[in-house]
Amino acid sequence: SQQGEEDPQALSIQEGENATMNCSYKTSINNLQWYRQNSGRGLVHLILIRSNEREKHSGRLRVTLDTSKKSSSLLITASRAADTASYFCATGIIQGAQKLVFGQGTRLTINP
Amino acid sequence: ETGVTQTPRHLVMGMTNKKSLKCEQHLGHNAMYWYKQSAKKPLELMFVYNFKEQTENNSVPSRFSPECPNSSHLFLHLHTLQPEDSALYLCASSRSAGTNSGNTIYFGEGSWLTVV
Repeated sequence: SQQGEEDPQALSIQEGENATMNCSYKTSINNLQWYRQNSGRGLVHLILIRSNEREKHSGRLRVTLDTSKKSSSLLITASRAADTASYFCATGIIQGAQKLVFGQGTRLTINP
Repeated sequence: ETGVTQTPRHLVMGMTNKKSLKCEQHLGHNAMYWYKQSAKKPLELMFVYNFKEQTENNSVPSRFSPECPNSSHLFLHLHTLQPEDSALYLCASSRSAGTNSGNTIYFGEGSWLTVV
């Protein structure tokens, strides 16, 4: 069953602006992971945030997690044309092995 | 380069063919996964292997048959597929979850499958 739902489904901004993508989910999770996918390619891992963490940073990326609201956000600062891609959140649930359940993704376009 | 290698990158097969997708990870992980990505649908988990044992079969039709001979290799055997099975098939690996709250799952580039 689908767990994560990203918002918005599509986002188009100018280069240099910040991009914010949101993710909501329905059940308890162990972690939440964000991925990027360029058209027709595999998924590139961006950040993992555990359920007991509230915020993580990696370069121009900032991820927040609010388990009380069952939501997460990915902020990309000072966007570049190369950031154009689809971004997915995936909720990690450990039931024996770890399972990731993905949302539909946000299609981000950075205009030069 | 994520350390997860999938071959072939592209495969066209007829509905009566038998083919296999191969995945190899060079990360020393013990868990491996198959995901399916179809147009306009979220990525769907198909199978999970943990220490070579299948721990998850997400109601996948029997025309898809996984095989995990060791922790580094994962296969997806394909037989009598349907055109609607055309999709991007992604392999992934991770360390086993253990008692922590999970580990990063690394994906390969995927195998594009077209069933004609």
